Amino acid sequence: AQTVTQSQPEMSVQEAETVTLSCTYDTSESDYYLFWYKQPPSRQMILVIRQEAYKQQNATENRFSVNFQKAAKSFSLKISDSQLGDAAMYFCAYYGNNDMRFGAGTRLTVKP
Amino acid sequence: EAQVTQNPRYLITVTGKKLTVTCSQNMNHEYMSWYRQDPGLGLRQIYYSMNVEVTDKGDVPEGYKVSRKEKRNFPLILESPSPNQTSLYFCASSRQFPGNTIYFGEGSWLTVV
Repeated sequence: AQTVTQSQPEMSVQEAETVTLSCTYDTSESDYYLFWYKQPPSRQMILVIRQEAYKQQNATENRFSVNFQKAAKSFSLKISDSQLGDAAMYFCAYYGNNDMRFGAGTRLTVKP
Repeated sequence: EAQVTQNPRYLITVTGKKLTVTCSQNMNHEYMSWYRQDPGLGLRQIYYSMNVEVTDKGDVPEGYKVSRKEKRNFPLILESPSPNQTSLYFCASSRQFPGNTIYFGEGSWLTVV
């Protein structure tokens, strides 16, 4: 079965600095999608960024970018110029062949 | 406005008392799914539905039932709730398959005592 691993239960970053959240996954599929979701204290699930596995180019959304290493099955999220509003739980997720899986999450704290 | 609506948002119930958590989406999405979120475990898929009358088990289906009689609705049924089903539940929907943008409901806090 596919698995998604987030090895950092908690991370901390200074406001305006850059932080990278790690995610690895295991799959035998060649076609799949990867996501990062943000969950603030309200518990709402907010899509941050999405990556199609067939695309070699790393996805970017404003201050958020990913480093997608397909051979290594790695999908890290980089947050640049961190803001206080970035503080949240971040979940890495995988979808392929009707199988949707989430990692256990990384709690990000942003220090003023 | 695109919405996935879950009800109830908060519920405390007793062991063995059947309950239904409703989920409705207004985007004509084919794909709908249910997840539970527990501390340290992330979100785990309970059931999903690719379209009307098509449902399948996710990772943790035990103790739950679903039905998809209409495209917009996907209720989650707990026939005989137990305390280990105390959790935060999310309904989600997307076009065709979750490779597209997944829209989540606001979550339903369920406590079984």
